[in-house]
Amino acid sequence: GAGVSQSPSNKVTEKGKDVELRCDPISGHTALYWYRQSLGQGLEFLIYFQGNSAPDKSGLPSDRFSAERTGGSVSTLTIQRTQQEDSAVYLCASSLGQGGNTIYFGEGSWLTVV
Amino acid sequence: AQSVAQPEDQVNVAEGNPLTVKCTYSVSGNPYLFWYVQYPNRGLQFLLKYITGDNLVKGSYGFEAEFNKSQTSFHLKKPSALVSDSALYFCAVRYQGNTGKLIFGQGTTLQVKP
Repeated sequence: GAGVSQSPSNKVTEKGKDVELRCDPISGHTALYWYRQSLGQGLEFLIYFQGNSAPDKSGLPSDRFSAERTGGSVSTLTIQRTQQEDSAVYLCASSLGQGGNTIYFGEGSWLTVV
Repeated sequence: AQSVAQPEDQVNVAEGNPLTVKCTYSVSGNPYLFWYVQYPNRGLQFLLKYITGDNLVKGSYGFEAEFNKSQTSFHLKKPSALVSDSALYFCAVRYQGNTGKLIFGQGTTLQVKP
């Protein structure tokens, strides 16, 4: 596709359930990022993948959060045992690489934990 | 620590007047600087970036930004504001040699009134 694609666009889940959020980056982009945006808050970095390098997981808030990127393309962000404070918009982005390459964002996955 | 500051939570301007949204960054090597805009319930859209060269950068929708190394600033400007420019604006920085993630400011809401 032309842009970064995320699914689902909206997800309502019960507290304690696991959720998976999917990101399909722009074709050919080697770098992929996950950010979280809580209501009224800024953008919180979660994780970064670059090619075959070990991902930068420094932003993951707890061990309930994990992400993988298969085949250097599609990525899945998994949140286990969801809590109400996990409610947020999860934004995926991709770029050709590091440096001055532009990072393009998807429309986000809106997660509500009830 | 690497950081970005947007000192104004909100900027109000009348339609047709010039607008400025401020951004400063911490000094830590050579920065790549970006501006993004976010409309309600949407993802982030890239506006412009500074990589190297001319300090005045022109971007989408008539926006421009000036890189000022001595003041460590990258303010976003537009000569004549439109009501449709009303949105949330984020400044972001990426430094050479880091893992590639973007560090975002807290965002500035721009309100353009008719």
